[in-house]
Amino acid sequence: GNSVTQMEGPVTLSEEAFLTINCTYTATGYPSLFWYVQYPGEGLQLLLKATKADDKGSNKGFEATYRKETTSFHLEKGSVQVSDSAVYFCALTGRGDKIIFGKGTRLHILP
Amino acid sequence: SAVISQKPSRDICQRGTSLTIQCQVDSQVTMMFWYRQQPGQSLTLIATANQGSEATYESGFVIDKFPISRPNLTFSTLTVSNMSPEDSSIYLCSVEDRGEYNEQFFGPGTRLTVL
Repeated sequence: GNSVTQMEGPVTLSEEAFLTINCTYTATGYPSLFWYVQYPGEGLQLLLKATKADDKGSNKGFEATYRKETTSFHLEKGSVQVSDSAVYFCALTGRGDKIIFGKGTRLHILP
Repeated sequence: SAVISQKPSRDICQRGTSLTIQCQVDSQVTMMFWYRQQPGQSLTLIATANQGSEATYESGFVIDKFPISRPNLTFSTLTVSNMSPEDSSIYLCSVEDRGEYNEQFFGPGTRLTVL
């Protein structure tokens, strides 16, 4: 079945550092891929998405590229801020299938 | 995108009692879901709330413990029955955009603590 594997946290970085959170997936067909973010004490918000191979999703300075050849959807940001501290979830959904979440990666940004 | 509200936002309950969580959406949606997020964990799907019929439960979740109502296309409730400390979690309602990409939108969650 479909599955998502993302790097375990917590990830701790200094402000303005470069961020990568790895995400790989297993799926049949051509799933849509998502990154969700959960800020402390809040629910999940969709951060970005990509729906076909080579698509790049971007939002709030974050980017992720749908790589079918490596079945990956790594999240990147060039210069993180303290306000980016949150838990990030990689997810996928196939047409007609339930959404599948990774286990989440907690990110701490130090001032 | 759909705007989803949940009530209550948090509660502290005694063992053996029940709590009903409400989820309200600002537009009519076909698919509504209830998730549980245990401390430090990812989301686990409890059930799909079906309008006009019984909810569809995932493995490990039963109707007697988590009864769900879905009286219309904008509203659903989840009850956590006969609570124990192991039920302490965040409970999230979500809806699906049944467009091409099956994107899901989430409510802010209900943080439940059972003593």
